[in-house]
Amino acid sequence: GENVEQHPSTLSVQEGDSAVIKCTYSDSASNYFPWYKQELGKGPQLIIDIRSNVGEKKDQRIAVTLNKTAKHFSLHITETQPEDSAVYFCAASMGGNEKLTFGTGTRLTIIP
Amino acid sequence: EPEVTQTPSHQVTQMGQEVILRCVPISNHLYFYWYRQILGQKVEFLVSFYNNEISEKSEIFDDQFSVERPDGSNFTLKIRSTKLEDSAMYFCASTPTGANYGYTFGSGTRLTVV
Repeated sequence: GENVEQHPSTLSVQEGDSAVIKCTYSDSASNYFPWYKQELGKGPQLIIDIRSNVGEKKDQRIAVTLNKTAKHFSLHITETQPEDSAVYFCAASMGGNEKLTFGTGTRLTIIP
Repeated sequence: EPEVTQTPSHQVTQMGQEVILRCVPISNHLYFYWYRQILGQKVEFLVSFYNNEISEKSEIFDDQFSVERPDGSNFTLKIRSTKLEDSAMYFCASTPTGANYGYTFGSGTRLTVV
């Protein structure tokens, strides 16, 4: 089955700087890669996603890049703000209504 | 914005007892899921449910687990005889039908088995 690795497990970034979180996946059949933000006591919330026919996607301060050949994808957050502090999970799926396989999570702390 | 609602938010149960976790998916969604997250670990898939039957389940979802859609709005996860290792956060999720990638997760039920 699919295996998703995520790095780093913790990341501290000065407010205003950029943060990058990286994930690799094992199954070349995966074609959908969402990123979730999880705040304390809440469920995962989708922040951005990318499909395998696209190499990069951007939404304001958040971007995701995908390298299908290398089977890795990354989340980039620019101009970080205190409210970006949370746990971030990457995931991979065969798309549609298929199950998500999650990475191990990254605890991002923005230092004011 | 439509939400997936889960109750209770926290449940404490004795080992060996049965528990039922409840979820109300988004009303026009047709695919339903349960995931769990043991403290400090990754979110893991348990089961998916469509058209009143299980469409896929993981190796975690053994005979102690069952799911049901008892009416038009609720989706439940039952654990027949809880074990200490069942202690986790359980998340319900739903998606619309078709080639749509929009998972919506609930806020979760924290299950503590003592």
